[in-house]
Amino acid sequence: GAVVSQHPSRVICKSGTSVKIECRSLDFQATTMFWYRQFPKKSLMLMATSNEGSKATYEQGVEKDKFLINHASLTLSTLTVTSAHPEDSSFYICSAWTQDQPQHFGDGTRLSIL
Amino acid sequence: QKEVEQNSGPLSVPEGAIASLNCTYSDRGSQSFFWYRQYSGKSPELIMSIYSNGDKEDGRFTAQLNKASQYVSLLIRDSQPSDSATYLCAVHTGGFKTIFGAGTRLFVKA
Repeated sequence: GAVVSQHPSRVICKSGTSVKIECRSLDFQATTMFWYRQFPKKSLMLMATSNEGSKATYEQGVEKDKFLINHASLTLSTLTVTSAHPEDSSFYICSAWTQDQPQHFGDGTRLSIL
Repeated sequence: QKEVEQNSGPLSVPEGAIASLNCTYSDRGSQSFFWYRQYSGKSPELIMSIYSNGDKEDGRFTAQLNKASQYVSLLIRDSQPSDSATYLCAVHTGGFKTIFGAGTRLFVKA
C-alpha cells in the first residue's frame, strides 16, 4: 500500500530554535499534502493544505509566518516551525493525497520545546 | 458547515464481542468514506474505505454505508484488546477536502 515517510520522528530543542519536518510520499505522486497538529487526547487539527508548486492554504488561527510550508515536488512537503516556543510542543502529522485515494498519514513528529 | 459527527465514547466491550462504531455526516454529496484507527501516541492508520451503499467486509471489520440516512458505521467482530484505540471516521466531500470526525475511543476488556 501507499507509504508516507515523515522525518524526524522526535525533536527536542531549545526555545527559539526553528525546526523543519519533512513529509515524503514514497510510492505515489501526491497532488496535495496536509499538515495536522494533535495535542494529547485531542482531535486532529488541520493546520494547512499544501498543493505542489503553490502557496499553502492555512486554516483559521494558524500563523503562516510561524509555520512555513514548502511543497516543492509531488513527493515532498516540509513544515518549518520558526522560532519555536514551548506552546508549539505537539504531535505534528502530515498526510498525502491524490485523486481517488484516501489520505495516507506519516508516522508523525513529536516536537518538544524546552 | 460540513460536519462529521461521532460519539466520543469511550465505548467499552468485552473481548470476543462485536464493537459497533457509528458516524453521521452532513454533506449529502459526499462520495468516499473511510475509517482510520489511531493508537495512543501514533498517527492514524487507514483500515477501511467504502464508496457505495451496503456492507464491505475485510477480515474482522465490516463497514456499512447508508447514503440516504447519511450514516456510516464500522463493526469489529471478535474484538481483541489490541483493537483498543481511537477510531476516526473520515468523509471525502469533494476536491481534495476530507473531513475527519473527532473519533470514538474503544476499549476492549480482556
